[in-house]
Amino acid sequence: EDKVVQSPLSLVVHEGDTVTLNCSYEVTNFRSLLWYKQEKKAPTFLFMLTSSGIEKKSGRLSSILDKKELFSILNITATQTGDSAVYLCAVGVLSGNTPLVFGKGTRLSVIA
Amino acid sequence: GAGVSQSPRYKVAKRGQDVALRCDPISGHVSLFWYQQALGQGPEFLTYFQNEAQLDKSGLPSDRFFAERPEGSVSTLKIQRTQQEDSAVYLCASSLGGPQNIQYFGAGTRLSVL
Repeated sequence: EDKVVQSPLSLVVHEGDTVTLNCSYEVTNFRSLLWYKQEKKAPTFLFMLTSSGIEKKSGRLSSILDKKELFSILNITATQTGDSAVYLCAVGVLSGNTPLVFGKGTRLSVIA
Repeated sequence: GAGVSQSPRYKVAKRGQDVALRCDPISGHVSLFWYQQALGQGPEFLTYFQNEAQLDKSGLPSDRFFAERPEGSVSTLKIQRTQQEDSAVYLCASSLGGPQNIQYFGAGTRLSVL
């Protein structure tokens, strides 16, 4: 059974801290790994990763994939209160009609 | 439209009632997905449409759940004879191509069954 595990499940940090969120997976025929940010509204797309070792970056957020060790990390530097959200990791597989498999998410709380 | 639109945002139902949840995907998106998200959990797949064809309904938890997308655009998820365990957020997502493409989500419908 395909599985995606995120850690930690929750995290509280102070503004300005740097955080690292983890996502490990066990799937057959891996194709891609996606990160989403979910506040009290629609999950918003952050990154899609398909190749190992290539960092994707958007502002203070960055992510990288390790296909050998089957994990990805999402880094957020200089955190702000607006970064408080649940961060979801999802994995897609090569089989055309198979849906994304999501982890349970990491709840990040950034306090001033 | 600019994004995936879901309605209603909140729905309270008495146990045993039927409910219908609507999803309006991004214009031109071929694929549409429904997910169920329980409190503190990640979204779990329910069903997937490519245009009007329902290609996968393996995630529907029981035969009380039914989804349709008759014209390949708007989709409706119907739950018959709702039960308390159906209480969750129901998320809809759409993508330009198949499931391997980036999925864009709506804000969800929060269903509470009393």
